[in-house]
Amino acid sequence: EAGVTQFPSHSVIEKGQTVTLRCDPISGHDNLYWYRRVMGKEIKFLLHFVKESKQDESGMPNNRFLAERTGGTYSTLKVQPAELEDSGVYFCASSPTSGAYNEQFFGPGTRLTVL
Amino acid sequence: GDSVTQMEGPVTLSEEAFLTINCTYTATGYPSLFWYVQYPGEGLQLLLKATKADDKGSNKGFEATYRKETTSFHLEKGSVQVSDSAVYFCALSDQGYQKVTFGTGTKLQVIP
Repeated sequence: EAGVTQFPSHSVIEKGQTVTLRCDPISGHDNLYWYRRVMGKEIKFLLHFVKESKQDESGMPNNRFLAERTGGTYSTLKVQPAELEDSGVYFCASSPTSGAYNEQFFGPGTRLTVL
Repeated sequence: GDSVTQMEGPVTLSEEAFLTINCTYTATGYPSLFWYVQYPGEGLQLLLKATKADDKGSNKGFEATYRKETTSFHLEKGSVQVSDSAVYFCALSDQGYQKVTFGTGTKLQVIP
């Protein structure tokens, strides 16, 4: 079974440009999460989808970030316009909706560098 | 809000040395506690977990015990190997397992 995949693995852009990150969850997983790790700091929650609906977007830093999950399958996270402080590693995770505890399975992350 | 504090790295050990990575937490409810590991070039993997007080999580020779009285979940391994070199994250989930709160991560390097 394929794991969570993320694309691209690395992205280097200039301040003011737009970048779109993609996450493909494990097939059949209704829950999809985005997290971010800024250099040397903790991994922080950004938002949570249940199928195509945003369940919790309390961690989104500002309105330059837009996440979508059309059709309840893959998700995109767009940063527009990118700022220097947006640099970091963006992780995606997915989990099924069954049982008392649903382990989140993480992707390898996308390393974003804003110059 | 919830938070996790873990010892800063990097930690450098010789092969077969004993490992302890300290982790303490703050949470309003009764969280589940986790250790995640990220090997070079790979994604985060769940290493072990404990869902209630006094539970001991274990996997691949690593252990951690959920200590409610000290709000701690220290990671230990009796004899580390070079292949254990990775970044280790302590984490908790306190909202129906929907949101995970992570510590800053501790980089472990094991030298032969």
